[in-house]
Amino acid sequence: SSELTQPPSVSVSPGQTARITCSADALPNQYAYWYQQKPGQAPVLVIYNDGERPSGIPERFSGSSSGTTVTLTISGVQAEDEADYYCQSADSSGNYVVFGGGTKLTVL
Amino acid sequence: QVQLQESGPGLVKPSETLSLTCTVSGVSISSFYWSWIRQPPGKGLEWLGYIYNSGSTNYNPSLKSRGTISVDTSKNQFSLKLTSVTAADTALYFCARGFTRKGFYEYWGQGTLVSVSS
Repeated sequence: SSELTQPPSVSVSPGQTARITCSADALPNQYAYWYQQKPGQAPVLVIYNDGERPSGIPERFSGSSSGTTVTLTISGVQAEDEADYYCQSADSSGNYVVFGGGTKLTVL
Repeated sequence: QVQLQESGPGLVKPSETLSLTCTVSGVSISSFYWSWIRQPPGKGLEWLGYIYNSGSTNYNPSLKSRGTISVDTSKNQFSLKLTSVTAADTALYFCARGFTRKGFYEYWGQGTLVSVSS
């Protein structure tokens, strides 16, 4: 089981806002990162250091942190955003990399 | 432009050793944290470990000492060996570049599927 807890699925209609959460006791002390993965492809980094966006990632992707939960927000969801999303951070010891179990975003 | 490419056998027999290589181009392998990450079919991502500074390593405890990551700086490659494999090791194996020890992965290979079966 993962030390990072994500909801298995989130569904939104096009144009709405999707919020995907990731929770762990260690998150107040560690940065979190978010990846988008489409079928048959490698993951793509969409958020780093809790809320920074790499170049080339659309502005509709944002990240935030509050206590033991980090949140990936996708504003104005588009059909192309349908994918699996994974959070990443460090385990409770701070020594190892861990990934959340993943959240499947469905655009209705 | 940083690129990573995995290579290795797509089929390994149970109890044998899985060996994969990642060829890196566009950057020297002497810096950053070069990592292996796998994804069983239909499941999530699992970090396996990294090698740093051409020698320092760190592994996921779940591998229970079965995994070894090494580097060949002359070829700008790093490798994964996983011993005593079982069907549970069947997965898509990715190599990736870590920005820091616990940091993000901005560059990934396309992944290579390894099946464990007799």
